[in-house]
Amino acid sequence: EVQLVESGGGLVQPGRSLRLSCAASGFSFDDYAMHWVRQVPGKGLEWVSGISWNSGSIGYADSVKGRFTISRDNAKNSLNLQMNSLRAEDTALYYCAKSMVRGVTNNCFDPWGQGTLVTVSS
Amino acid sequence: QSALTQPASVSGSPGQSIAISCTGTSSDVGSYNLVSWFQQHPGKAPKLMIYEGSKRPSGVSDRFSGSKSGNTASLTISGLQAEDEADYYCCSYAGSTTFVFGTGTKVTVL
Repeated sequence: EVQLVESGGGLVQPGRSLRLSCAASGFSFDDYAMHWVRQVPGKGLEWVSGISWNSGSIGYADSVKGRFTISRDNAKNSLNLQMNSLRAEDTALYYCAKSMVRGVTNNCFDPWGQGTLVTVSS
Repeated sequence: QSALTQPASVSGSPGQSIAISCTGTSSDVGSYNLVSWFQQHPGKAPKLMIYEGSKRPSGVSDRFSGSKSGNTASLTISGLQAEDEADYYCCSYAGSTTFVFGTGTKVTVL
């Protein structure tokens, strides 16, 4: 069974940093692209970032470009999101999602983890 | 990267068919056959229902179908059931390794 477990969320002050992780199991992690999607509680979904199977192709939403960095460690079956210069508007539940393909240009996100909550507030 | 436009709510009686529209632009929905649809029940993670416009992942009921015409994609749910009551989001590839989600639609089964 595919499992995705996010961690690293919490309360952080504006301007500070936070690193999210997603532990993957139940599939060949290095065969699939991975993505981060966030959701403000009670609001809609926003794609944040994606990374191809071999880290060769990466994409970011304009809202996080230059502040967030996605990475993966295929040896550890782990996906990461380094979030710097955090803003109040980054407050959301952050989901990691597995792609059904190796490339990062397909939005067949399946399945998703349960999310980790990030709250940016002073 | 403006959000795709979906109706805020759609409702139907059990057994009926409903359609949810997802309107984008020639830079996203209109340019790529890469629209997916997600179902989200309250307090749960989203679930992929349709990908690449009209393909269903294994395990998804054939009551769900997807289509596209120009800059507008649609999700049709036929034989509406109580368990279909949820929020639905479309998502399109928007070029340059980016994606855009729709505003979301709340489906109510009357």
